[in-house]
Amino acid sequence: GQNIDQPTEMTATEGAIVQINCTYQTSGFNGLFWYQQHAGEAPTFLSYNVLDGLEEKGRFSSFLSRSKGYSYLLLKELQMKDSASYLCAPQIKAAGNKLTFGGGTRVLVKP
Amino acid sequence: GAVVSQHPSWVICKSGTSVKIECRSLDFQATTMFWYRQFPKQSLMLMATSNEGSKATYEQGVEKDKFLINHASLTLSTLTVTSAHPEDSSFYICSASGTSGGAYQETQYFGPGTRLLVL
Repeated sequence: GQNIDQPTEMTATEGAIVQINCTYQTSGFNGLFWYQQHAGEAPTFLSYNVLDGLEEKGRFSSFLSRSKGYSYLLLKELQMKDSASYLCAPQIKAAGNKLTFGGGTRVLVKP
Repeated sequence: GAVVSQHPSWVICKSGTSVKIECRSLDFQATTMFWYRQFPKQSLMLMATSNEGSKATYEQGVEKDKFLINHASLTLSTLTVTSAHPEDSSFYICSASGTSGGAYQETQYFGPGTRLLVL
C-alpha cells in the first residue's frame, strides 16, 4: 500500500518562507509530484522530482531524498494568492504512472 | 502548453439519469488519462486509469458498470455516470499525461473539473 504523510495546515505571513514536508512509503516509486490546489478548483502542476536533490523554479523549490522517502516543497516570498492546498503525490511506475494523493497541506498566508 | 479541458464544468441532474463528462487534451496527445473524484475537504481519489484504445483499469471499490470510461482517441476520454444517485454528487476531475506537444513526459495535467449534483 501507499502511505503519505504531510502536515494538515500551515500558516505563514506574506513575504515569508514556508517549507512543507512530505514523507512517503510506497512500492515501485518512480518520482514525486507537487501540485497546488485552490479551493474549489482542480490541481495545477508545480514540480516533479525524480533524482535526489533540489529543483528550483522561481519562488517554488522542491527537494527529494529517495533513500529517506522524503520530500519538501519550499515556498519563498509568500503572496496572498499562495493560500491553497499543496499536494504531495508519489508516482508509481509499475502501475501505469498513477499518482497517490495524501490529504494535502492547507497553507494560509496572512497579511 | 499541456492544457486539459473538461465539459461540462457543472451539471445538475435527477436521480436515475446518466451523465457524460468529457475530458480533452488540447495541445498534446494523451496516451493515458486518469479519472478522479473529490468530496469536499477530502483528498483526490483515483477512480480509474485509461489508455487510448484499451479498457480502463478501475481502482478497488469503483464499479466499472456504473462509471463507464471510454478513451477512444489520443485527445478524448469520457466518463459516464450511469443511473446517478445523490451519493454520486462530487467533483470529478480528469488528468492526462503524454509525450508530445507542450507536455512533460509522465506529468499528469489536470482538467478544471466537473461538479455533479444529483437531486
